[in-house]
Amino acid sequence: NAGVTQTPKFQVLKTGQSMTLQCAQDMNHNSMYWYRQDPGMGLRLIYYSASEGTTDKGEVPNGYNVSRLNKREFSLRLESAAPSQTSVYFCASRDVSKFSGNTIYFGEGSWLTVV
Amino acid sequence: SQQGEEDPQALSIQEGENATMNCSYKTSINNLQWYRQNSGRGLVHLILIRSNEREKHSGRLRVTLDTSKKSSSLLITASRAADTASYFCATDARSGNTPLVFGKGTRLSVIA
Repeated sequence: NAGVTQTPKFQVLKTGQSMTLQCAQDMNHNSMYWYRQDPGMGLRLIYYSASEGTTDKGEVPNGYNVSRLNKREFSLRLESAAPSQTSVYFCASRDVSKFSGNTIYFGEGSWLTVV
Repeated sequence: SQQGEEDPQALSIQEGENATMNCSYKTSINNLQWYRQNSGRGLVHLILIRSNEREKHSGRLRVTLDTSKKSSSLLITASRAADTASYFCATDARSGNTPLVFGKGTRLSVIA
């Protein structure tokens, strides 16, 4: 069982370039999330998708767009990368229903450097 | 702004000692969760405590929750070098689709 898979693992971008981080989960979860982690800042929510077909902004959405392609996949796009977007990005998912726990499952992270 | 705030930011102990980390939060919660992150890896769920529970155990982990003080603590007993990691609390404001909000974490170093 792969859980949450995100790609790429590492990426270096030049300022102004665009890229998409891909995320897929095989646990049939309804909710998916993108967080970024910076030193001393903990995890901050960028965007989330409570269910297929919906997306909402989190704490730090500026400079990002997301697409919930289907129930399994949730991508994060940087349209014009900036050095401030240098960070580690984590995709996560969980099944929010009255019959399930509320544990969130994380991918292994994507290290992005913008130069 | 972030909901949970862990204290201390960093903790260094000897193997065999107990490690205690605290988390404070600001608003009402449905449950509070603790996660562990090894260096360079994703976060992994450790334990969940619901708002109507005061204490919960799992192996060497003991979690307490005081909703009147809006605080929780994570105790790791008889620590091992393998417990070296960052530990995060996350608050779940209500059941449904509200995202978890994470604190900044406590970095634990266990010295063999």
